[in-house]
Amino acid sequence: QIQLVQSGPEMKKPGESLKISCKASGYIFTDYAMQWVKQAPGKGLQYMGWINTQTGKPTYADDFKERFVFSLETSASTAYLQINNLKNEDTATYFCARDGSSSPFDYWGQGVMVTVSS
Amino acid sequence: DIQMTQSPSSLPASLGERVTISCRASQGNSKNLNWYQQKPDGTIKPLIYYTSNLQSGVPSRFSGSGSGTDYSLTISSLEPEDFAMYYCQQDASFPWTFGGGTKLELK
Repeated sequence: QIQLVQSGPEMKKPGESLKISCKASGYIFTDYAMQWVKQAPGKGLQYMGWINTQTGKPTYADDFKERFVFSLETSASTAYLQINNLKNEDTATYFCARDGSSSPFDYWGQGVMVTVSS
Repeated sequence: DIQMTQSPSSLPASLGERVTISCRASQGNSKNLNWYQQKPDGTIKPLIYYTSNLQSGVPSRFSGSGSGTDYSLTISSLEPEDFAMYYCQQDASFPWTFGGGTKLELK
């Protein structure tokens, strides 16, 4: 069955960097793009952008063009989200989701809780 | 960006009740409107795509409708597992955007 399994929770200090993973299984990884979504504590869903899993080309929503990097390890069917120069406002749960044929978020990872605090 | 406004933000309801959640887009989006359910443990499940099409495995008590700027999600008879957060989302124009969410809670 199709699964997106994300890495575990992270606790970081402001200014540090982190890289979280999203491992796909049950389908051909390069057949579908991967989306990323942020959810701050107690808040709604905020779209971050997507990465083309065939070309590796990322596309970012405006709020995520500066310190955020989408990447791939195609041989491992894994997508990554790297956040550089972490800020307190990056504290959130980050979800990956497959861009399916029916909707842009047809399968979701379980989310990774990231806490940024000094 | 297309702004998505959901109402109500909170909806108390009883088991067996019929409920409707509304979603309004800041501009018409040609029925490119999807709905998602988020459970208290954070798990997110797609429910409906392109306004009215049920995702595989979604019970038939869920339905969607709408056009232009106004869309709705209806649950015909609430079951215990339906009490959750619901989000609408448009994919007519990049960047995709979500509504603020509706918390469906037990009255």
